Parts: sequence; C-alpha cells; structure tokens
Amino acid sequence: GNSVTQMEGPVTLSEEAFLTINCTYTATGYPSLFWYVQYPGEGLQLLLKATKADDKGSNKGFEATYRKETTSFHLEKGSVQVSDSAVYFCALRPYNNNDMRFGAGTRLTVKP
Amino acid sequence: NAGVTQTPKFRVLKTGQSMTLLCAQDMNHEYMYWYRQDPGMGLRLIHYSVGEGTTAKGEVPDGYNVSRLKKQNFLLGLESAAPSQTSVYFCASSYFRGQGFGQPQHFGDGTRLSIL
Repeated sequence: GNSVTQMEGPVTLSEEAFLTINCTYTATGYPSLFWYVQYPGEGLQLLLKATKADDKGSNKGFEATYRKETTSFHLEKGSVQVSDSAVYFCALRPYNNNDMRFGAGTRLTVKP
Repeated sequence: NAGVTQTPKFRVLKTGQSMTLLCAQDMNHEYMYWYRQDPGMGLRLIHYSVGEGTTAKGEVPDGYNVSRLKKQNFLLGLESAAPSQTSVYFCASSYFRGQGFGQPQHFGDGTRLSIL
C-alpha cells in the first residue's frame, strides 16, 4: 500500500543550523509529494510540493527534491530560525486517487 | 479569506454523549476530508467526500458518521462518544484530481475533543 515514513523527532537545533528531515515513501506509480508544517494550535499548512521525479519544491528557504530512485523527499533548510519551530509532516497523494497519506510528523525546536 | 472553518474549537463530552463537528469551506472545493490526529500517529483519515451527497470511509471510520448535504459543508458525527475518540480532529478540502495533479489539501485549525 501507500505509506510515508519520516524520521522520528524531536529535533532540536540552534539558530542558523542546517536542517534535514528525512522522508521516504512507498507507492505505486508516481505519487505527488508534499511537506506540511503545523504551528502550535493551528492546522496543517502546505509548505512545498513536487509532482514528478527530480522536481524540487521550495518555499521560505525550505527545499525538497523528489527522488524516484531512492523513493525519498527529504526536507532541508540551510539556516533555521526560531520561528521555524513547528511539527513537519511529509505526505503523498497517490497517482490514482485523492487519498493523502501522512507521516507521523517530526517536531522541530530551534533555540536562540 | 476564511478558507476552511471548523466549529467548535474545543469540546468536552461524557462517554455516551453525541455531538456533531461542522466544517465549512469557501473555496468551492469538490473534495472534503475528516482526519484525527493522535500523538505519534500523524493524521488518519476518518471519512471523506468527493462531492455533494456522497461520502466514503477512510482508514478509521468506526464510531463516526458523516454527511455532505451542501458542497461547502461536511459534518462529522459521534453517535455515542468513547474515551478512545479523544483526539484533535481536522477537516480539509481540495480540488479533485482532474483539475490539476498534486492539488494540496487545505486544513482548518482543528477541534480538540476530550471524552471523559
């Protein structure tokens, strides 16, 4: 079946550190891949997406590249800020339906 | 610019009580979804709807019912609440696949529900 596995947290970094949150997926065909961010007390917000192999999604300094060969969509940011503290979810949308599958989420805390 | 609005935001129920959670979207989306979010488990799909008057079961549908009488509204009902249904519930909506691959889901701010 379709599923997403992302690295367990929590992740704690100092401001300006480099961030990587790993995400791998299992799916048939070519799913669309997403990263969502959830701030405390709020719903999920779309951070970035990629719809085909080798696509790079980017937004607010975050990037992720759709790697078909390794079935991965790792989230990266070169220099994190305190305001990036949140829970990050990797998700996929299968090619043949609208059933989104989410990873368990990774909590990021950035300290000044 | 409301997007997806959920009511109520918080609710405490006693075991056996019933209640309805309301979701409203103003983006003219065809698809609507109800998820529950539990610690360490991400989001799990309860029910979804592909259009007015249609609903379907998701990953964890037991104990819940839904209705979509109007395109903009999607209701989630708990007929007899149980402590295992204590969770944060999120509604989401999206365009259907044919209007563009990779259409994301847009989420409400959630309803925090506690069953005592």
